Amino acid sequence: NAGVTQTPKFQVLKTGQSMTLQCAQDMNHNSMYWYRQDPGMGLRLIYYSASEGTTDKGEVPNGYNVSRLNKREFSLRLESAAPSQTSVYFCASIQERRAGGQETQYFGPGTRLLVL
Amino acid sequence: AQSVTQLGSHVSVSEGALVLLRCNYSSSVPPYLFWYVQYPNQGLQLLLKYTSAATLVKGINGFEAEFKKSETSFHLTKPSAHMSDAAEYFCAVNPAYSGAGSYQLTFGKGTKLSVIP
Repeated sequence: NAGVTQTPKFQVLKTGQSMTLQCAQDMNHNSMYWYRQDPGMGLRLIYYSASEGTTDKGEVPNGYNVSRLNKREFSLRLESAAPSQTSVYFCASIQERRAGGQETQYFGPGTRLLVL
Repeated sequence: AQSVTQLGSHVSVSEGALVLLRCNYSSSVPPYLFWYVQYPNQGLQLLLKYTSAATLVKGINGFEAEFKKSETSFHLTKPSAHMSDAAEYFCAVNPAYSGAGSYQLTFGKGTKLSVIP
């Protein structure tokens, strides 16, 4: 998980509360991604950012907003938390492959969110 | 559209035995394929990836996988299991194109590997 930090590590919310999950990378990668992991479901893409200032929806964007204000940071916001958003959230930082080259990718350690 | 099916949510092997974790994919375009490992309470670590250069891909920790287009499979193997291999393994697929924002991975549901001493 070198180079990708996520805060907080664990959070408990009540239904209707809001919070922002933070992700930061220091590898100068262009692209960052937010996934959620639920038991028996694998990881599902919530939102991604191909470059600073751009964001796009993934497979399960409802109930979330994101912000990529600079190249380092990509935050995920829950405006009104619901029990269905109880999950483990992973941020990934990826420098996509160039011609003849290899991509580099790192996943953060995750944020465990419990919504009561 | 793309999808991944991992056969077996839980696989148990004896220490020293062959590890075989199955992954079948569906993709409307040529795919890139990945295997990740996740240890308890940790993030994902890339084990290996297929990006059309060679059908047999070698990864870290002695794992390898073979891309078989005719079978739409990308099974993960290791000749001899170690106790340290106990973890959850995820197969993922991505359309085979490059560029910013291209890593919109579709994951399988995961296979938990137990290694019996």
